[in-house]
Amino acid sequence: DGGITQSPKYLFRKEGQNVTLSCEQNLNHDAMYWYRQDPGQGLRLIYYSQIVNDFQKGDIAEGYSVSREKKESFPLTVTSAQKNPTAFYLCASSIGSTGADEQYFGPGTRLTVT
Amino acid sequence: GQNIDQPTEMTATEGAIVQINCTYQTSGFNGLFWYQQHAGEAPTFLSYNVLDGLEEKGRFSSFLSRSKGYSYLLLKELQMKDSASYLCAVRPNYGQNFVFGPGTRLSVLP
Repeated sequence: DGGITQSPKYLFRKEGQNVTLSCEQNLNHDAMYWYRQDPGQGLRLIYYSQIVNDFQKGDIAEGYSVSREKKESFPLTVTSAQKNPTAFYLCASSIGSTGADEQYFGPGTRLTVT
Repeated sequence: GQNIDQPTEMTATEGAIVQINCTYQTSGFNGLFWYQQHAGEAPTFLSYNVLDGLEEKGRFSSFLSRSKGYSYLLLKELQMKDSASYLCAVRPNYGQNFVFGPGTRLSVLP
């Protein structure tokens, strides 16, 4: 079955620790994305990658880092520099076309930092 | 800057029709997308508009007016399972950065 997976579903960390969220897809998609969603708000783009070994900052990249060493994987690290890291994090992928580029979302990781 | 507006909440009755509006002001335009998101779950794709007019897909239709920076999602024959948030997203250019609106939470009542 093709799809996009994120793990873990729930993650708890202490303030000051870096944490890495995993995202894997087997859809053979070129583009991958990380979004953050806070209660009652829409999705805000953290980083996106259109191709392996390349990625671009989104609207709220500060305090986050990513890598794209393989087409299938796009891990997100939430660093201690991120002021308000507690949120629901969604990873997505798409073909990467300029047309109807439907995004497929993973189930999300709910991160709580105390 | 980029700005997308949607009503925060809407309520409708099972079997009725509801229209969810989305207005946008973005630096450019290369397509508008609608997604459905049930509480605690991932969004799923509903529709895509890039030209003016209406796109119909079963019980769901989406309309776009580029000159007005306006779109709506029309849901017919509402069912209880349609209770969800509906997200409007715009792609301002040919890149892969999408701008999402705040979402509209729809409650369908029996």
